[in-house]
Amino acid sequence: DTEVTQTPKHLVMGMTNKKSLKCEQHMGHRAMYWYKQKAKKPPELMFVYSYEKLSINESVPSRFSPECPNSSLLNLHLHALQPEDSALYLCASSQVLEKLFFGSGTQLSVL
Amino acid sequence: GENVEQHPSTLSVQEGDSAVIKCTYSDSASNYFPWYKQELGKGPQLIIDIRSNVGEKKDQRIAVTLNKTAKHFSLHITETQPEDSAVYFCAASPLYGNKLVFGAGTILRVKS
Repeated sequence: DTEVTQTPKHLVMGMTNKKSLKCEQHMGHRAMYWYKQKAKKPPELMFVYSYEKLSINESVPSRFSPECPNSSLLNLHLHALQPEDSALYLCASSQVLEKLFFGSGTQLSVL
Repeated sequence: GENVEQHPSTLSVQEGDSAVIKCTYSDSASNYFPWYKQELGKGPQLIIDIRSNVGEKKDQRIAVTLNKTAKHFSLHITETQPEDSAVYFCAASPLYGNKLVFGAGTILRVKS
């Protein structure tokens, strides 16, 4: 199994809503990542978890809150988002310091 | 920090022709260079990668070359097919994967 699974595939939320994005992998990878990708742009790194501990936070606003409950799961909690936060949110995983594998992403629209 | 420039931004080729996409990087500490293909509605898919101790790597119709002195690397696709149409991203990292910096992307169109 070489798949990173993200749910939901699409999400529409208001600026006062609280929602969560979920990511799961069963490849035994110990590093997991959140990326944000705007249309026609490259992915931008948001967070990196290594061995379930947050190792990189690329100065992401606190309205995005990551969580890594165990080595297979990664969540991104969303609260009080702005319309400019609308984007494709990608999860990725890897062995530590190894190749990254991406999921298909969650297309988020903030109204 | 690292900066990766990618050219061209769009590339149209006839089916069966070759396609070449070039990237330059700024940080001499970078030693890992992957290439990703992204189709519409999907996440980026790793298609080939190269480490700094290797000058060239090939996988069927795809090859990557690296010139560390000039700080540039290139993706070569031979015998292009319509299913090669996608956005291609190069990337560079000083560590083997942990903090990738992506190029701006190249839209490749293969005309049949």
